Amino acid sequence: GAGVSQSPSNKVTEKGKDVELRCDPISGHTALYWYRQRLGQGLEFLIYFQGNSAPDKSGLPSDRFSAERTGESVSTLTIQRTQQEDSAVYLCASSPGRSNTGELFFGEGSRLTVL
Amino acid sequence: AQSVTQLGSHVSVSEGALVLLRCNYSSSVPPYLFWYVQYPNQGLQLLLKYTSAATLVKGINGFEAEFKKSETSFHLTKPSAHMSDAAEYFCAVKLGNTGKLIFGQGTTLQVKP
Repeated sequence: GAGVSQSPSNKVTEKGKDVELRCDPISGHTALYWYRQRLGQGLEFLIYFQGNSAPDKSGLPSDRFSAERTGESVSTLTIQRTQQEDSAVYLCASSPGRSNTGELFFGEGSRLTVL
Repeated sequence: AQSVTQLGSHVSVSEGALVLLRCNYSSSVPPYLFWYVQYPNQGLQLLLKYTSAATLVKGINGFEAEFKKSETSFHLTKPSAHMSDAAEYFCAVKLGNTGKLIFGQGTTLQVKP
């Protein structure tokens, strides 16, 4: 597609349930990022994939959070046993790669509400 | 560690007035710096970036930012605010050669008629 695509755009779930959020990056982009944006707050880095290198998971807030990426394409962010504090917009971004000066192309986000 | 700090979570200006959004960075190496904008109900988009080519960087919609190494600053300015500039603005720094971007907390710009 022309841009970064995220699904679902909105997800409402009950506390304790697992959720999966999907990101389709721009074709050819080797780098993929996940960020979390809580209401009224900035972007919190979660995880970064660069090609076939081991992902940088330093931003994942707990072991309930995990992410996978298939090659240089789709990524899935999984949150297990969701808590109310997980409510946020989860943003995915991609970029051409490490040699790039760093411009990220963002999707419109997946809004997660945990009841 | 590299980081960015945005001073002021909310800035309010009158239409036609100068816009100044502040960003200070911390970096042990020459940084790559960015400003992103998030309009209401839209995704983030790049406004401008500094990659060491020129200290004064011009971006879209009349915005510009000046890299000042001595002040470790990268403030965003626009001479005359327009109502359509109302949005949230994020400063970001790229960490070394990793490609990883760290964002500031964001500044919400309100433009009053």
